[in-house]
Amino acid sequence: DVVVTQSPLSLPVTLGQPASISCRSNQSLVYSDGNTYLNWFQQRPGQSPRRLIYKVSNRDSGVPDRFSGSGSATDFTLKISRVEAEDVGIYYCMQSTHWPPWTFGQGTKVEIK
Amino acid sequence: QAQLVQSGAEVKRPGASVKVSCKASGYIFIDFYLHWVRQAPGQGLEWMGWVGPKSGDTNYVQKFQGRVAMTRDTSINTVYLEIQRLRSDDTAVYYCVRDGNFDMWGQGTMVTVSS
Repeated sequence: DVVVTQSPLSLPVTLGQPASISCRSNQSLVYSDGNTYLNWFQQRPGQSPRRLIYKVSNRDSGVPDRFSGSGSATDFTLKISRVEAEDVGIYYCMQSTHWPPWTFGQGTKVEIK
Repeated sequence: QAQLVQSGAEVKRPGASVKVSCKASGYIFIDFYLHWVRQAPGQGLEWMGWVGPKSGDTNYVQKFQGRVAMTRDTSINTVYLEIQRLRSDDTAVYYCVRDGNFDMWGQGTMVTVSS
């Protein structure tokens, strides 16, 4: 199974400041079709997860442009350019290149300092 | 708009069974596989398996094989997750999730296993 590792696991940030979360896999996530299936999800307190980013860098509809994804092969990053109060929650990366199983990172808890 | 609506919370005794439903609407049901993902209290997300809505084919994580069944009813656009021989560590929120890179999630169903 592909192991996906996030860091940090806890991320206190100041409102208006940037934040960055790393996601690393133990295998390349480039699929045979040339795409890289690495997704990012946000889970606000008490809510279901919501997809923010798919295939490394594509924002879902309605996702603010302060969220951006980047990376390649085994190293990926989710960046929030200026953290807002509504961004508090847990962020997960997930690979859907090598399946089954689909595997998630452990989650990164973003909170306001 | 497309959505997945799950059944309500359940409380069960250890050893019992539970069946959670997930009703799809707003899109062509047979076009997307549906996954089940669980989240124990305070923990991360764990993929359990998936069910194909057209043929009913399934794939389960090995740890759940023999104790879990994922089925579907195409007449009412609904998939089901049944867990048998419940244990306390099955206490979790269970989500159905549409394939298509997990683009749509149900609201979750809390299953509590307690004596």
